[in-house]
Amino acid sequence: DTGVSQDPRHKITKRGQNVTFRCDPISEHNRLYWYRQTLGQGPEFLTYFQNEAQLEKSRLLSDRFSAERPKGSFSTLEIQRTEQGDSAMYLCASSLYGSYEQYFGPGTRLTVT
Amino acid sequence: DQQVKQNSPSLSVQEGRISILNCDYTNSMFDYFLWYKKYPAEGPTFLISISSIKDKNEDGRFTVFLNKSAKHLSLHIVPSQPGDSAVYFCAASDLPGNQFYFGTGTSLTVIP
Repeated sequence: DTGVSQDPRHKITKRGQNVTFRCDPISEHNRLYWYRQTLGQGPEFLTYFQNEAQLEKSRLLSDRFSAERPKGSFSTLEIQRTEQGDSAMYLCASSLYGSYEQYFGPGTRLTVT
Repeated sequence: DQQVKQNSPSLSVQEGRISILNCDYTNSMFDYFLWYKKYPAEGPTFLISISSIKDKNEDGRFTVFLNKSAKHLSLHIVPSQPGDSAVYFCAASDLPGNQFYFGTGTSLTVIP
């Protein structure tokens, strides 16, 4: 079963450090999404790609957040100069173009100390 | 603004009984709705969906009902099983492939 995978599963970093997360979508899925989930909340949309094109990024939380999907396969989400408020679960999902169903990975739990 | 709301943070049900989870939305442009199930330390798992052209969709023990005029949907689980204990999220979208708007989740506990 080649579901959505994310790496690392957990990341602890000190405030001010940069972190990068990776997401590998289901292989035939051409859309890839990043969400953030904080305690007691549902996932909150950040950005998404169709193939290598980033179609929506206005919901990225600040200019410290950036995402790439250079070859239309895996994607990375980078947070620069992390702050304690960035501590959250970062979820990646993928889907087929034209389909509503999004399939989620296990998430990366970020803790900023 | 919270466009999708789940007003019950938690629900406890006896095994074998019906679990009813509710969800309300405000955006009349939403035309597709999903329920996701989430266990701790895992990502959400797709459970069941419904298009706005339907008012009911059933899959085994799970049934989702949509009332467009009330902007309300519900998930029924019958019979409830201990393995159903998880957090359930309602999500809505307006176009295929667009972002989903999620509710805050309802934590279901099925008591054996």
